[in-house]
Amino acid sequence: KAGVTQTPRYLIKTRGQQVTLSCSPISGHRSVSWYQQTPGQGLQFLFEYFSETQRNKGNFPGRFSGRQFSNSRSEMNVSTLELGDSALYLCASSRTGITNTEAFFGQGTRLTVV
Amino acid sequence: SQELEQSPQSLIVQEGKNLTINCTSSKTLYGLYWYKQKYGEGLIFLMMLQKGGEEKSHEKITAKLDEKKQQSSLHITASQPSHAGIYLCGAGPSIQGAQKLVFGQGTRLTINP
Repeated sequence: KAGVTQTPRYLIKTRGQQVTLSCSPISGHRSVSWYQQTPGQGLQFLFEYFSETQRNKGNFPGRFSGRQFSNSRSEMNVSTLELGDSALYLCASSRTGITNTEAFFGQGTRLTVV
Repeated sequence: SQELEQSPQSLIVQEGKNLTINCTSSKTLYGLYWYKQKYGEGLIFLMMLQKGGEEKSHEKITAKLDEKKQQSSLHITASQPSHAGIYLCGAGPSIQGAQKLVFGQGTRLTINP
């Protein structure tokens, strides 16, 4: 059974550019959550999608957005990149996305903004 | 908002020794997740605990949830080099809420041969 797949694994962008990250969940899982991990702030919740609808959103500026497709694959977009957006972005896949459902993470996308 | 505090922040143990990592919540725990992370990589799911007093084991790793104390502990028996990494605990905000996990700051485990 394939795990959670995130692409690309590494990305270098320039300030002001925008970037799109992709996450393919485990087959049969309908919930995809996105997290940002930095040395200073740790792991922080960005947003969660279930059946193409955003159900939850963390405390991030509007430059961070996402969407989910009918096949449950999800994309995250960051516009007008800032140096502080450099981080490891992780997505998590779960069957229902309800508390106390097992959640499995991908390998992450390492974004570096220069 | 809920906060999770892990202790210790780092741990160095001799191979073969036992160790315990603790995760304490500022609010009632409705469920607790344990993950392991190799530096710069994704999180590996270890186990999820749902009920107070629940205890789960996987190979040499055992985790227990003490709801009254709003705390969970992760115990590794006879540690091996493969156990090295960062251990993270995570928790959801409510019993029926959507999954919006809050994580502790992590415990960095080093195993000396």
